[in-house]
Amino acid sequence: SQQGEEDPQALSIQEGENATMNCSYKTSINNLQWYRQNSGRGLVHLILIRSNEREKHSGRLRVTLDTSKKSSSLLITASRAADTASYFCATDDSGGSNYKLTFGKGTLLTVNP
Amino acid sequence: TAGITQAPTSQILAAGRSMTLRCTQDMRHNAMYWYRQDLGLGLRLIHYSNTAGTTGKGEVPDGYSVSRANTDDFPLTLASAVPSQTSVYFCASSALGYTDTQYFGPGTRLTVL
Repeated sequence: SQQGEEDPQALSIQEGENATMNCSYKTSINNLQWYRQNSGRGLVHLILIRSNEREKHSGRLRVTLDTSKKSSSLLITASRAADTASYFCATDDSGGSNYKLTFGKGTLLTVNP
Repeated sequence: TAGITQAPTSQILAAGRSMTLRCTQDMRHNAMYWYRQDLGLGLRLIHYSNTAGTTGKGEVPDGYSVSRANTDDFPLTLASAVPSQTSVYFCASSALGYTDTQYFGPGTRLTVL
């Protein structure tokens, strides 16, 4: 089963609205990362939050991490059409495999102009 | 800066043929990775290298081999391609280990017929 799973699978909003995506994972982690992928392109790193952090901001992005619930959320405020992309969370496994990140299947965000 | 480059951009390959996907980074990162991305399955790690001269197997290594003769290059070879290897392949690198931010190349779209 997936270490990180995003929810919802797809999200459609209007420009200017906020978008919230969630990620759940199963094991203890060192870090959790969020990436964006535009159609047909490689993944682009957005933000990394460490297991001892609860919230992190970067521009219009806000990430929260709740290690007790093994979940994270990514909030994009004042969305723009250019934010249309797939968003992935990625986790390591601090207690087990020590060589890889595990990526979720992603949330497809569509921002309508 | 170029970051990570991959070649070719796309390729159609006959089953049974061999092929090498090229990946070069100019960031002097220690670690490099090969992923494949398939619809419904997300991103899966094929092979990784923590530093020049070392490689390791990821989640789905069968049918693939890699080498890391120097810091910059991390080629992925398919010795005898099969249709199930039809996928989009991404190379990535990180400065330190797997828990660090990963930087992705633009991808190679491979179709095996």
